[in-house]
Amino acid sequence: AQSVTQPDIHITVSEGASLELRCNYSYGATPYLFWYVQSPGQGLQLLLKYFSGDTLVQGIKGFEAEFKRSQSSFNLRKPSVHWSDAAEYFCAVGPNNNAGNMLTFGGGTRLMVKP
Amino acid sequence: EAGVTQSPTHLIKTRGQQVTLRCSPISGHTSVYWYQQALGLGLQFLLWYDEGEERNRGNFPPRFSGRQFPNYSSELNVNALELEDSALYLCASSSGLNQPQHFGDGTRLSIL
Repeated sequence: AQSVTQPDIHITVSEGASLELRCNYSYGATPYLFWYVQSPGQGLQLLLKYFSGDTLVQGIKGFEAEFKRSQSSFNLRKPSVHWSDAAEYFCAVGPNNNAGNMLTFGGGTRLMVKP
Repeated sequence: EAGVTQSPTHLIKTRGQQVTLRCSPISGHTSVYWYQQALGLGLQFLLWYDEGEERNRGNFPPRFSGRQFPNYSSELNVNALELEDSALYLCASSSGLNQPQHFGDGTRLSIL
């Protein structure tokens, strides 16, 4: 069974500082990987996705993520955080086959930004 | 392009009642997914509909059911509501198998 772990429940960074959110997955083959962001009272917005190819993927709002097969990781990064980035971030894995198509989510990381 | 729309935004029900939540996918998307986001339980997959058929189901009891209409919109029905059904119910749509899922803003269901 697939699973996703986000080790950090809360992270606080200063505005302008760099950010890295960790994500580790467990899956038998190369999965599809996603990062979503959820602002309070809202749904999930897709930041970026990895299906295959280049292991460094660029997303919206200046975010990027790197797929590292050897570490089963897909960490999200941003070089300079803005106050509007404060939200909850979810890493998700989807099956790279025809077996169900559902996403399995990590528990989320809540990002707080200090002025 | 309009995103995924869900209605209503909020609902308050009592134990034992029944509820119907609605979802309209992005135009051109044929797959609709339902997820439950309950406090302390995270995001859990409920149901996947594609081309009018239920394709996959998460680990939820049969009182959670739904359907997809010919225009690809979808309903989620929950019977015999229990207190632990209080959650944000999120609908997502995609253009096909293994394509990114795009989410609506959800319906917040509170059970008293």
